[in-house]
Amino acid sequence: EDQVTQSPEALRLQEGESSSLNCSYTVSGLRGLFWYRQDPGKGPEFLFTLYSAGEEKEKERLKATLTKKESFLHITAPKPEDSATYLCAVRAPMIYNQGGKLIFGQGTELSVKP
Amino acid sequence: GAVVSQHPSWVICKSGTSVKIECRSLDFQATTMFWYRQFPKQSLMLMATSNEGSKATYEQGVEKDKFLINHASLTLSTLTVTSAHPEDSSFYICSARETSGSSYEQYFGPGTRLTVT
Repeated sequence: EDQVTQSPEALRLQEGESSSLNCSYTVSGLRGLFWYRQDPGKGPEFLFTLYSAGEEKEKERLKATLTKKESFLHITAPKPEDSATYLCAVRAPMIYNQGGKLIFGQGTELSVKP
Repeated sequence: GAVVSQHPSWVICKSGTSVKIECRSLDFQATTMFWYRQFPKQSLMLMATSNEGSKATYEQGVEKDKFLINHASLTLSTLTVTSAHPEDSSFYICSARETSGSSYEQYFGPGTRLTVT
């Protein structure tokens, strides 16, 4: 069964305390893994797309990496404004793919305290 | 770039009435748009995939006669919740995928909070 599992469910960090969020996936032939940030009461904000194992992308304090089984979102020296829920998603396999349907994980709720 | 808007941002309606939510891609054309529903502290639940000029494809368990989707142009999709009931109260979010791109990123709207009394 194609699925996406994120861990931990919740993560509390002190400002400046670096850490990583995990996204494990099982899908028949990965055709794109996506990271989004969602603030309370708002729609998800696109962060990164990764397509192949070994690929890395960075944006400010965030760095996303990809292996054949999982992806990590590394947060370096986080600030309180990085507090949000981070969602991971993969493209559904072709037979289920209606125009690019995504399978989402449950998200990791990150809280960064000053 | 890649901005998606939703209107209204919140709406309160009485049980039995219908509510229409609009989703617009402001700076790109979107052949495909998606409608999601999100409950508190939960992830996104895909309701349906909307393709311009054709019927929407609904996920299993989603009542297509209750949640009417129209994708009349490359920049506009609408979701109408018909005969709304309190259990339909939720956060509804749309997303759009750029027609011209080869990537499959979805860009999300800000969401619509529906409360049915």
